[in-house]
Amino acid sequence: GAGVSQSPSNKVTEKGKDVELRCDPISGHTALYWYRQSLGQGLEFLIYFQGNSAPDKSGLPSDRFSAERTGGSVSTLTIQRTQQEDSAVYLCASSFDRGSREQYFGPGTRLTVT
Amino acid sequence: GENVEQHPSTLSVQEGDSAVIKCTYSDSASNYFPWYKQELGKGPQLIIDIRSNVGEKKDQRIAVTLNKTAKHFSLHITETQPEDSAVYFCAASRANNLFFGTGTRLTVIP
Repeated sequence: GAGVSQSPSNKVTEKGKDVELRCDPISGHTALYWYRQSLGQGLEFLIYFQGNSAPDKSGLPSDRFSAERTGGSVSTLTIQRTQQEDSAVYLCASSFDRGSREQYFGPGTRLTVT
Repeated sequence: GENVEQHPSTLSVQEGDSAVIKCTYSDSASNYFPWYKQELGKGPQLIIDIRSNVGEKKDQRIAVTLNKTAKHFSLHITETQPEDSAVYFCAASRANNLFFGTGTRLTVIP
């Protein structure tokens, strides 16, 4: 079956603009996660969804970052008034349910803020 | 929160040799430890994981060991092949969130 998909694969935007990043999890997976990977760094947790609810938003770096999930499936990560330090690869992962630990990652969206 | 440290940051081995990557974690409540392989331009791929009730797990050429007392775990790759070249990440979790190490770039020299 299809894996986690993300779009766009690459996004270049000007400082101050808003961007939306999309994640389609594996069908049937109820848990969804967003991570950020800066150049040469590990993965930084941003937010976790169980269904459409986000019980853990502790990793969002500022109020410019927000995310939503609808229909228990697709999720959108929105970054408002982008800054150069937002440049990174944004990765989405999904897992079968809250109790399942195995997370499966998408290919990521490379965001470049100029 | 959890803090995961990973060493070495880069590792070069000859084809056929073994590679070992080590991680330590800080939260004694962590009980799930996956390893991911990330190839250029791709997302991380889960290659093996271990839970805290097990000390060792093997899957063909890959093995992971866990020492709960010392709070460290390791990835062992035997008979390395050029296609093993990638960045490897360890992670630790006690709930839903994964806390990742900073990665090891493994290069297998043919």
